[in-house]
Amino acid sequence: KAGVTQTPRYLIKTRGQQVTLSCSPISGHRSVSWYQQTPGQGLQFLFEYFSETQRNKGNFPGRFSGRQFSNSRSEMNVSTLELGDSALYLCASSLASGLYEQYFGPGTRLTVT
Amino acid sequence: AQKITQTQPGMFVQEKEAVTLDCTYDTSDPSYGLFWYKQPSSGEMIFLIYQGSYDQQNATEGRYSLNFQKARKSANLVISASQLGDSAMYFCVSSPGTYKYIFGTGTRLKVLA
Repeated sequence: KAGVTQTPRYLIKTRGQQVTLSCSPISGHRSVSWYQQTPGQGLQFLFEYFSETQRNKGNFPGRFSGRQFSNSRSEMNVSTLELGDSALYLCASSLASGLYEQYFGPGTRLTVT
Repeated sequence: AQKITQTQPGMFVQEKEAVTLDCTYDTSDPSYGLFWYKQPSSGEMIFLIYQGSYDQQNATEGRYSLNFQKARKSANLVISASQLGDSAMYFCVSSPGTYKYIFGTGTRLKVLA
């Protein structure tokens, strides 16, 4: 069974631009979560989607948004990029929402200049 | 607020020896899950082991076992017979009943030949 895939793997953007990251979950998984990882803040939860609905959201500004499609694939969008948005963005999928182990993708390394 | 504490930022262990990585958690939810993940230098997060708050027995997965002490709110990871490939960052994660993961700051483990 294929694992979680994320595209692109690396991205360089300039301040003020917007970016869209994509995540394809493991087949059969309906929950997708997004995380931001930085050296200073560690791993922080962004949001979770289940059956195309946002189930939970972390403490991030409204510039960070996401969505999930009917095939469970998910996208994350960051508008008006700031230097502090430079991070590794990890996507994780699980069978359902709740107490299920999550399987992570390789991440998208975003650099904002 | 929910919190995960990993007090060991870095640890060394000799190959073939056992090592314990500490984790304490703070949650008021009666139902929660505890997870351990491994993140090698490649960046991908790898699921290792899961313990549910109502599980009577400590979880084990191959060389990994979770020493769950509910009254102390601790969930230490024990790796037996360490291998060079175990060198990585290890994260303790809790999932309270709010459908999101809370990550600890991680412990960087280095296995010495």
